[in-house]
Amino acid sequence: GESVGLHLPTLSVQEGDNSIINCAYSNSASDYFIWYKQESGKGPQFIIDIRSNMDKRQGQRVTVLLNKTVKHLSLQIAATQPGDSAVYFCAENKSEPGTITNAGGTSYGKLTFGQGTILTVHP
Amino acid sequence: SAVISQKPSRDICQRGTSLTIQCQVDSQVTMMFWYRQQPGQSLTLIATANQGSEATYESGFVIDKFPISRPNLTFSTLTVSNMSPEDSSIYLCSVEVQIMNTEAFFGQGTRLTVV
Repeated sequence: GESVGLHLPTLSVQEGDNSIINCAYSNSASDYFIWYKQESGKGPQFIIDIRSNMDKRQGQRVTVLLNKTVKHLSLQIAATQPGDSAVYFCAENKSEPGTITNAGGTSYGKLTFGQGTILTVHP
Repeated sequence: SAVISQKPSRDICQRGTSLTIQCQVDSQVTMMFWYRQQPGQSLTLIATANQGSEATYESGFVIDKFPISRPNLTFSTLTVSNMSPEDSSIYLCSVEVQIMNTEAFFGQGTRLTVV
């Protein structure tokens, strides 16, 4: 079936450095992508999302880049802090005709998750 | 954001028994989702639970093994039936909420160990 995967399972950086976490997806029909952060013992926490009609979106210290040509998604974290240490997951979603949704045909909660990357930030 | 509470937060169960996990949301939501996260792995969608209709299960998951209830717009349960050690996982409830944008929020999860 369709799947979303990550290139690097672990990433170690020094505090203050920029981090880049990568993700490859295989479903060309996907139209919505999200990055989640999961700390130990907690559920995934939404970081940032991007729709397929965009190639870049910026948040606070985070940027998501989408390259639909090569089906690649990345998360950039600027000035990485020890509190950023966690597992990061990309997730994808595609509109499904007939799906019960809030609006626009997209069920934002019906997600396919990637493998996950463990980010460790050293002080 | 939505506040999602799951109970229990963790449990150790004997094989062959069943466990019901509760998910309570602090606001009314149309769609609720149940995910499984096996040890050291990513999340896999089990089913979508909508109030007033049967849950929709993903490939590889069946109602007899994972019966779901959705009695109202703030509550859902997932039962893991006739458990085996292979069912040891974190089970997570998720809801779709529209604030400025539409996002999926997750509960803290229920860590299940089957012995």
